[in-house]
Amino acid sequence: EDKVVQSPLSLVVHEGDTVTLNCSYEVTNFRSLLWYKQEKKAPTFLFMLTSSGIEKKSGRLSSILDKKELFSILNITATQTGDSAVYLCAVDRNNDMRFGAGTRLTVKP
Amino acid sequence: NAGVTQTPKFQVLKTGQSMTLQCAQDMNHEYMSWYRQDPGMGLRLIHYSVGAGITDQGEVPNGYNVSRSTTEDFPLRLLSAAPSQTSVYFCASSLYSGNREQYFGPGTRLTVT
Repeated sequence: EDKVVQSPLSLVVHEGDTVTLNCSYEVTNFRSLLWYKQEKKAPTFLFMLTSSGIEKKSGRLSSILDKKELFSILNITATQTGDSAVYLCAVDRNNDMRFGAGTRLTVKP
Repeated sequence: NAGVTQTPKFQVLKTGQSMTLQCAQDMNHEYMSWYRQDPGMGLRLIHYSVGAGITDQGEVPNGYNVSRSTTEDFPLRLLSAAPSQTSVYFCASSLYSGNREQYFGPGTRLTVT
């Protein structure tokens, strides 16, 4: 059965800390892996990764995909209170998306 | 552009009632989808469409129907509501099926009593 597993489920850090969020997957027909940020309402897109070893960067956020070991990590450096959110990992299985349960990140001042 | 819009924002149904959740996008996106989000379970795909006239089932399709008669609209119908369908429902769209930068609507919170 296809599955996407995120860890940890929740994380509390202080401003300025660096965090690493994990996503492992076992799916058929893998096409890409995506990261979303969900604050109070709808998720917003962060990254899409299709090839192994490619690191995507956007400011303080970066992500790596390892297609051999079937995992991805999302790094956030110099965290800010505005980074507090649920971070969702999703795998695109050829039009059929599977999401993990998410990691709830809380950044304290 | 309004992006992805959903109506209603909140709805309470009694068991056995039917209703339609509306979703529309004005970005000329080919791909549209419906998800439900339950506590601790992330998002689960209900149905999706890769273009007008084409729909397919996702992970949890039972109890729901969809149609896609136009590019803009993708309504989700609950045939006979059950308490297990209490959830937050999100509609999303992307430019085409290979582009997964999905734009999500604001969600509909549905309670079935």
